[in-house]
Amino acid sequence: ETGVTQSPTHLIKTRGQQVTLRCSSQSGHNTVSWYQQALGQGPQFIFQYYREEENGRGNFPPRFSGLQFPNYSSELNVNALELDDSALYLCASSITGRVHYGYTFGSGTRLTVV
Amino acid sequence: QQQVKQSPQSLIVQKGGISIINCAYENTAFDYFPWYQQFPGKGPALLIAIRPDVSEKKEGRFTISFNKSAKQFSLHIMDSQPGDSATYFCAPTLYNQGGKLIFGQGTELSVKP
Repeated sequence: ETGVTQSPTHLIKTRGQQVTLRCSSQSGHNTVSWYQQALGQGPQFIFQYYREEENGRGNFPPRFSGLQFPNYSSELNVNALELDDSALYLCASSITGRVHYGYTFGSGTRLTVV
Repeated sequence: QQQVKQSPQSLIVQKGGISIINCAYENTAFDYFPWYQQFPGKGPALLIAIRPDVSEKKEGRFTISFNKSAKQFSLHIMDSQPGDSATYFCAPTLYNQGGKLIFGQGTELSVKP
């Protein structure tokens, strides 16, 4: 098992720009979820992808979008960045139907919007 | 995320002591109750979890106690060690609806040597 890897680890963007974050799921996992963790807070669910389709979405605006690829890797795209988008973005992979084994989280991408 | 409330926000315990963290939830449909442990610079990692058909689960020094009628569950860390110093999150979920985790606000545990 290689675990979940995310890139880049840190990123600084300017307000109004667009950003793409990447995630490589753990081997054998077919579902990927993205979470936003503001400083000192618990992670908040952004959305989940299963079989390359969005399979649930949290309370985030449409400028947050994602993709899942046939090899189960994933991207999170954020358009028109705002200062409040500064956070740790976490990717978590799992096997649909076997959530009792828990999600495997990556170490995250720290995004700073200035 | 008002539907999950975690307490305390921070906790300081002496080495060898017992750490207790509580989680209260509102949604009675939740059917999977995990605790996650997060170290600085890392993502959360599953520590221990319980299903609602049991009231207690123990794994080593970690125990979950579940009170369905009170809509609460707690994490007990026995013989706390400095290496347990981390942030702990409860994250109840709807197992049969894709398992979206609803995280609490977190408890920062510091175990003093």
